[in-house]
Amino acid sequence: QVTLRESGPALVKPTQTLTLTCTFSGFSLSTSGMCVSWIRQPPGKALEWLALIDWDDDKYYSTSLKTRLTISKDTSKNQVVLTMTNMDPVDTATYYCARMMGPHNWFDPWGQGTLVTVSS
Amino acid sequence: QSVLTQPPSVSGAPGQRVTISCTGSSSNIGAGYDVHWYQQLPGTAPKVLIYGNSNRPSGVPDRFSGSKSGTSASLAITGLQAEDEADYYCQSYDNSLSGPYVFGTGTKVTVL
Repeated sequence: QVTLRESGPALVKPTQTLTLTCTFSGFSLSTSGMCVSWIRQPPGKALEWLALIDWDDDKYYSTSLKTRLTISKDTSKNQVVLTMTNMDPVDTATYYCARMMGPHNWFDPWGQGTLVTVSS
Repeated sequence: QSVLTQPPSVSGAPGQRVTISCTGSSSNIGAGYDVHWYQQLPGTAPKVLIYGNSNRPSGVPDRFSGSKSGTSASLAITGLQAEDEADYYCQSYDNSLSGPYVFGTGTKVTVL
């Protein structure tokens, strides 16, 4: 059974750096074709894709956010970490991680998500 | 910000058929990339409903169907049920600066 779980702070202050961890089980990120992505959803709004890392350690970022994002993986721990710098209240959202098998495909399954609020 | 456009809402009575459109462009759906659909029940994470334009994962009722043509795709729900009340999102790949992965604007389905 494939599962993913997001963890990180529920509250961050403006200008701080957010670090989120996705811990997964049931697959290996060293398997050819495997990818893990981060997606966020502001309250009441649509989904927004953020970043993706693949089995070969290639990284892809949202053009609008790439200067603020860093994605990395620890294959031995089955974890993917996303950092987002210079947090702003507009970054308040539920952050999800999800698996993708092969490029250009779909996200399945998703973690339950973690709500991050940016406020002073 | 979303490059795939969906109607904000659709509604129907139980048993009716509703469709949700997903309009893209030549850099995503029109370029031949597959469209995938997700269902997000209130307070939960999205779940894949249709993948590869028209394929249903095991466990998804055959009331749900997907299609794609040109720069658009559609999700149809036939025999609408109360449990189908949710938000629905399309997703594809985009080879422009908007990508590489893009979601639709989302559609709220209400069962009357």
